[in-house]
Amino acid sequence: SQQGEEDPQALSIQEGENATMNCSYKTSINNLQWYRQNSGRGLVHLILIRSNEREKHSGRLRVTLDTSKKSSSLLITASRAADTASYFCAFGTTGNQFYFGTGTSLTVIP
Amino acid sequence: EAGVTQFPSHSVIEKGQTVTLRCDPISGHDNLYWYRRVMGKEIKFLLHFVKESKQDESGMPNNRFLAERTGGTYSTLKVQPAELEDSGVYFCASSLLRDSYGYTFGSGTRLTVV
Repeated sequence: SQQGEEDPQALSIQEGENATMNCSYKTSINNLQWYRQNSGRGLVHLILIRSNEREKHSGRLRVTLDTSKKSSSLLITASRAADTASYFCAFGTTGNQFYFGTGTSLTVIP
Repeated sequence: EAGVTQFPSHSVIEKGQTVTLRCDPISGHDNLYWYRRVMGKEIKFLLHFVKESKQDESGMPNNRFLAERTGGTYSTLKVQPAELEDSGVYFCASSLLRDSYGYTFGSGTRLTVV
């Protein structure tokens, strides 16, 4: 299966703490993206990192990509209750296909 | 520029009924994709249209699902008859080029089969 794997499956932290979630994949990619889904709602694009990039920042988000290990991590700093959602990595393969990871459910406790 | 629009945003139907989901891609986007997240699990690819042609429908779960894109504009995804396990969120995305950089996702249709 080309599905990406994310860990942890679920993460619960206190407001103000940092949250880190990881994504691993098996194929060759040309980019990796992170999305957020609030309960039962649509997908919100957070950040895209290209295969020739190693780190990218956007506000409180920091994404790293290690293509040698076929893994990526998403760090959310100074978390807020509003960050509670499911987070998905998604990657575009060199074959122009697009797959999602299994998702991490983040709960930020006020 | 209008984004990808999905309708309805939420649908509740009884088992055995028929439901049709609609997706309006960004104007000019030839590529249209359907994904779904069932019962809080992973998001899975269903199919890919290029204009009105089905480029890849390897993710369609069974023959109760029928997707169309007549005229290469909007697309519909019909589930007939709906089963309980079809409940989930159905996402549509469109892109100008057939690559993975420029996907724009709609807000999804939440389908509940009771």
